Amino acid sequence: GAVVSQHPSRVICKSGTSVKIECRSLDFQATTMFWYRQFPKKSLMLMATSNEGSKATYEQGVEKDKFLINHASLTLSTLTVTSAHPEDSSFYICSARPDSPEQFFGPGTRLTVL
Amino acid sequence: KQEVTQIPAALSVPEGENLVLNCSFTDSAIYNLQWFRQDPGKGLTSLLLIQSSQREQTSGRLNASLDKSSGRSTLYIAASQPGDSATYLCAANTDKLIFGTGTRLQVFP
Repeated sequence: GAVVSQHPSRVICKSGTSVKIECRSLDFQATTMFWYRQFPKKSLMLMATSNEGSKATYEQGVEKDKFLINHASLTLSTLTVTSAHPEDSSFYICSARPDSPEQFFGPGTRLTVL
Repeated sequence: KQEVTQIPAALSVPEGENLVLNCSFTDSAIYNLQWFRQDPGKGLTSLLLIQSSQREQTSGRLNASLDKSSGRSTLYIAASQPGDSATYLCAANTDKLIFGTGTRLQVFP
């Protein structure tokens, strides 16, 4: 149990376009979802925390207008990278948390902006 | 602000050795501490989760300990195998997960 999926697994886009990444909890309801970013050979950095039906809480230094997060249901959160630039290229990982402290992670999305 | 560090940053050992990976955190007010494995270009695989009230957890050849008062956790890998080669991450949970810097492990035959 406790499976989290992400779609797409890999995306390549042109500079200036927007990219949407989906995170779904497949077999449980997630009251909270988290979005992380990972640079090559670096650890995961928390970008934002999203609770179903409310605005996301962004970590310091993360632009909320750049990284739009929507948590419209208890099983789906989306991250939209707006007007993407090459420096936004990264590995994005989501996690979902039911009513317990443990988080369950998605397989990640590799974003490459040309 | 919670900070999590891991040592060593990288480790290369021959097959069969017993290993200890270290994780330290600055804020002891944690719900739990979790160890993950990450293969290159892949997501995270949860290995062990230790609740704040527990001292250790075991799964197969893996054993993780937690000393909240000193802000330390260790991951012990017994009889290492080449398939254990990966990056190992610890994360301290204080309502949000703060990840350590990782240990890149290579086990050679």
